[in-house]
Amino acid sequence: DSGVTQTPKHLITATGQRVTLRCSPRSGDLSVYWYQQSLDQGLQFLIQYYNGEERAKGNILERFSAQQFPDLHSELNLSSLELGDSALYFCASSVLGIRDTQYFGPGTRLTVL
Amino acid sequence: QKEVEQDPGPLSVPEGAIVSLNCTYSNSAFQYFMWYRQYSRKGPELLMYTYSSGNKEDGRFTAQVDKSSKYISLFIRDSQPSDSATYLCAMTLLSNTGKLIFGQGTTLQVKP
Repeated sequence: DSGVTQTPKHLITATGQRVTLRCSPRSGDLSVYWYQQSLDQGLQFLIQYYNGEERAKGNILERFSAQQFPDLHSELNLSSLELGDSALYFCASSVLGIRDTQYFGPGTRLTVL
Repeated sequence: QKEVEQDPGPLSVPEGAIVSLNCTYSNSAFQYFMWYRQYSRKGPELLMYTYSSGNKEDGRFTAQVDKSSKYISLFIRDSQPSDSATYLCAMTLLSNTGKLIFGQGTTLQVKP
């Protein structure tokens, strides 16, 4: 158990809908990362927050947004969902947010029908 | 062309074999290199973390980095069935972010 929690574990929804994925980092970690894992693209970096501020952005679609709250938990919002958004979404956390060890949560499996 | 290339396998070996997993990369600015292990239906967990070219050993695992060839390897000695998992290489730049670029992952099966 990495100490990073993600909810829900599974999510099934329809195209065009909006969903919110939630992540609680390890105690003491200030940085949160979101990654998307699919069979064809592998594990891809989406976005990083450090202490509430956005620090880095990857190839995150405009339909996706995220935020980190004062209690350091983070949410990833996915809207206007498409079939291709079906994937595993992982949250990771680390203390410093700069090249230090990232601890991954168990992931949320999103299925868009 | 992807920034990090990794043969997805699958790779099947008998118990006790030496396993060699590899990644190549195109961006010479990558400075830090990692290997993650991911069991089925779990999140990735860090196995090895290296910075400079050369070897780093941790128990049965050895990570090797050759920056001149843009090539990294992970060796597993005396492989065990419990090593059966997907192994992902990852790398990052010398920057003020934690953005990791991952390889596709190699699926390894160690047969008893």
